Amino acid sequence: DAGVIQSPRHEVTEMGQEVTLRCKPISGHNSLFWYRQTMMRGLELLIYFNNNVPIDDSGMPEDRFSAKMPNASFSTLKIQPSEPRDSAVYFCASSPGTNEQFFGPGTRLTVL
Amino acid sequence: AQSVAQPEDQVNVAEGNPLTVKCTYSVSGNPYLFWYVQYPNRGLQFLLKYITGDNLVKGSYGFEAEFNKSQTSFHLKKPSALVSDSALYFCAVRDQNDYGQNFVFGPGTRLSVLP
Repeated sequence: DAGVIQSPRHEVTEMGQEVTLRCKPISGHNSLFWYRQTMMRGLELLIYFNNNVPIDDSGMPEDRFSAKMPNASFSTLKIQPSEPRDSAVYFCASSPGTNEQFFGPGTRLTVL
Repeated sequence: AQSVAQPEDQVNVAEGNPLTVKCTYSVSGNPYLFWYVQYPNRGLQFLLKYITGDNLVKGSYGFEAEFNKSQTSFHLKKPSALVSDSALYFCAVRDQNDYGQNFVFGPGTRLSVLP
């Protein structure tokens, strides 16, 4: 198995632009998580899905952030409009329901 | 609500010496506890978990952790450190009574193993 796949690996954009991050979870996993990691705030859970349904989005910082999971093999995290303070590494993780999570390599987002 | 503390931002140890990375937690019910490792420019990798049973849990790469309910701790240990163990280590907890999957991660401890 290829593991959790995230794209792009690096994204540089200008303030005000729309950014879309993509995630393909491990096949058969029924839970998917989006995290943000920064030096200042550490690792923050943004949202998680169970069986494609958003369960807890209380970590989504603002209405500028939205996440979707249209099917079991794909999820997106969108930021519109982006701001410099959104610069971070965004991780997607999936879980088969046995508690441990499997993380993707992350997307490093830089908003200028 | 659950929480995790990793009291040391940085741990330095000489290669070949034993290492300990500390973690304490708080949950209202019984905990599920986890350790993850993050190498530079990589995602987090699962090391080991405690769910129930034996308080001493063995995981990947020779790491182990001991669950201590009275001290609400789950310290990560390795008998003999390697330079390649240098990385960022995260402890995480989930409340067994939480039927969602709301994990809480600690702030991380940077381990440096010196040759």
